[in-house]
Parts: sequence; C-alpha cells; structure tokens
Amino acid sequence: ELKVEQNPLFLSMQEGKNYTIYCNYSTTSDRLYWYRQDPGKSLESLFVLLSNGAVKQEGRLMASLDTKARLSTLHITAAVHDLSATYFCAVDISTGGTSYGKLTFGQGTILTVHP
Amino acid sequence: NAGVTQTPKFRILKIGQSMTLQCTQDMNHNYMYWYRQDPGMGLKLIYYSVGAGITDKGEVPNGYNVSRSTTEDFPLRLELAAPSQTSVYFCASSLVNIRTIRVGGYTFGSGTRLTVV
Repeated sequence: ELKVEQNPLFLSMQEGKNYTIYCNYSTTSDRLYWYRQDPGKSLESLFVLLSNGAVKQEGRLMASLDTKARLSTLHITAAVHDLSATYFCAVDISTGGTSYGKLTFGQGTILTVHP
Repeated sequence: NAGVTQTPKFRILKIGQSMTLQCTQDMNHNYMYWYRQDPGMGLKLIYYSVGAGITDKGEVPNGYNVSRSTTEDFPLRLELAAPSQTSVYFCASSLVNIRTIRVGGYTFGSGTRLTVV
C-alpha cells in the first residue's frame, strides 16, 4: 500500500523567510504532483514532476523530485502572505501501467505567512 | 470551456436518505475520478473510470456507487447516507494515453460539500 507523508503538517512563517515542505512516499513512482488549496476551494495544480532530478520553479515556489530517495520538496523563498494556503503532494503509481492514474495524497501542509 | 462541473455545491442529507452527486466534463478526457476530502485531510479515492462503461473501486468505495454511461458524465450515488459520509467530494478527470498509460494533467471540479445529519 502506497503511503505519502508530508511534513510539517503546520507551518507558520514570517514574511520574507524561506522554508521547505517535504513529501516522502513509500513505493516507486516517477510522477509526483503538488497542489495548492485555499479554504473552501478546489485544488489548484502547481507542479508536475515526471522524472528523477526534476526541478520546477514558479515565482517563489520551487519543487524537486528524488525518486531514489522517494522524496519531493517544495521550497518557499521569501514568503509573502498570498502564499498562505494548504499544500498537498500526490503520488501517481502508474509506473507499471496498472494504477490508471490514481493519486494518493499526503495529509497536506497548512501554511500561514504572517508579517 | 467549462472543465469539470459538479452539482450541487452544497447539500444536507438526513441519515438513510440517498442522493446522486453529478459530475460532467467537456474536455473529452477518458479517465474520471471521485475523491472525498475529510476535514484536515488529503483526498482519498472513492471510484474511478477509465472510459464509458468501465469503473473500478478506489481506496474507500463502501457506501457509494458509480456509473459511466458516457465519456462526459460520471455520477456518484450515495445509498443510505451515514454521518461518516459527511465530507467534501471532488470529481476529477484526466487524459490518459492508452498506449503508454501515461497520465496527462488532472482537472478538478469545485467540489460538493455534503453534510449528513
């Protein structure tokens, strides 16, 4: 059974600071997603990481994937209040072609950025 | 282009009642999914479909049923609602390359917030 664990689950940051959210998963996969969710809203796609060593950046967020360590990171640079949200990683175990794109989600990291 | 549309957005059910959550997509995606999100948790897969007429169970299927008669529609049926089914339900779709079983991006609907009392 695939397990996906995020840490920390709660993150309170000051504006301007840097921090990293970690996503560990238990089964081989070469496809990992990061999503953002605002309260009461749906999921917004942030990054799709498709191979070992993949790195993607968008604004103050940068995501990376190490498939050998089964670890993805979401790095926040110089946080601003608008980044306050819940962040989820999700793993797709379609590597063997048998899971049909089913995603297993982490528990989510609630990020609060304050002045 | 509407993407994935879910109705209703909110619903309150009494214990034992039944209802259908509607989901439709206009992107000609072949794969569709139903997830539930309990408070403070990640999403869990209820059912999925790889094409019209083909459905299969996900991680938490008990108490639910689905059908997929067309590519566009993937309704989720709750029979005999229970308080444990109080959750937010998300429908999603994706375009999967049948030959390589490689998944394109996912599109999520806006969710249905269901309360069972």
